[in-house]
Amino acid sequence: DQQVKQNSPSLSVQEGRISILNCDYTNSMFDYFLWYKKYPAEGPTFLISISSIKDKNEDGRFTVFLNKSAKHLSLHIVPSQPGDSAVYFCAASRRSNDYKLSFGAGTTVTVRA
Amino acid sequence: KAGVTQTPRYLIKTRGQQVTLSCSPISGHRSVSWYQQTPGQGLQFLFEYFSETQRNKGNFPGRFSGRQFSNSRSEMNVSTLELGDSALYLCASSLGRNKGNTEAFFGQGTRLTVV
Repeated sequence: DQQVKQNSPSLSVQEGRISILNCDYTNSMFDYFLWYKKYPAEGPTFLISISSIKDKNEDGRFTVFLNKSAKHLSLHIVPSQPGDSAVYFCAASRRSNDYKLSFGAGTTVTVRA
Repeated sequence: KAGVTQTPRYLIKTRGQQVTLSCSPISGHRSVSWYQQTPGQGLQFLFEYFSETQRNKGNFPGRFSGRQFSNSRSEMNVSTLELGDSALYLCASSLGRNKGNTEAFFGQGTRLTVV
């Protein structure tokens, strides 16, 4: 039962342009959302998170938007850089159960020079 | 500050064998979670330990088990290995609090291949 879905398995974007990654969830109990980035042969690294009491969180080139009514969140990367080429995972959890993260299947981002 | 350390990095086992993977969390972190990553499936939650107690368990068969020691180090065991158990096994550590930041920090993983 995939409660977190990333429907786009891949995304190709030109260097300097915006990358937009999308994520949908089905469990309305989720109240904390995270994005992780993963390079081959490495573990995922935390990028940015957002609590359900907010609709936007920004950290440098990364901005996460949350639309609770649509159960949808997105990650914007502006501007995209070659080092951003990686797999991006969306994850969700319940604060009262914060030790279990439900992950999407990932989106592979390729930034073209 | 050392990160999450998983050993071994790579492992090849035969069907029917059992395997034990190890994870040392970040110093001060008391929660250790295990995830299985297979192509196209993302990361699937296996279980989580806090203060030597399993607090949550994912939908995996009983062949998958784990434990946590008093120093927060954790081991994961898979018995009677099947070909489908071939995957990257990731360990994540966090403070384990119920409020506040709940970011989990991952190790590099153990790549298990069952032949």
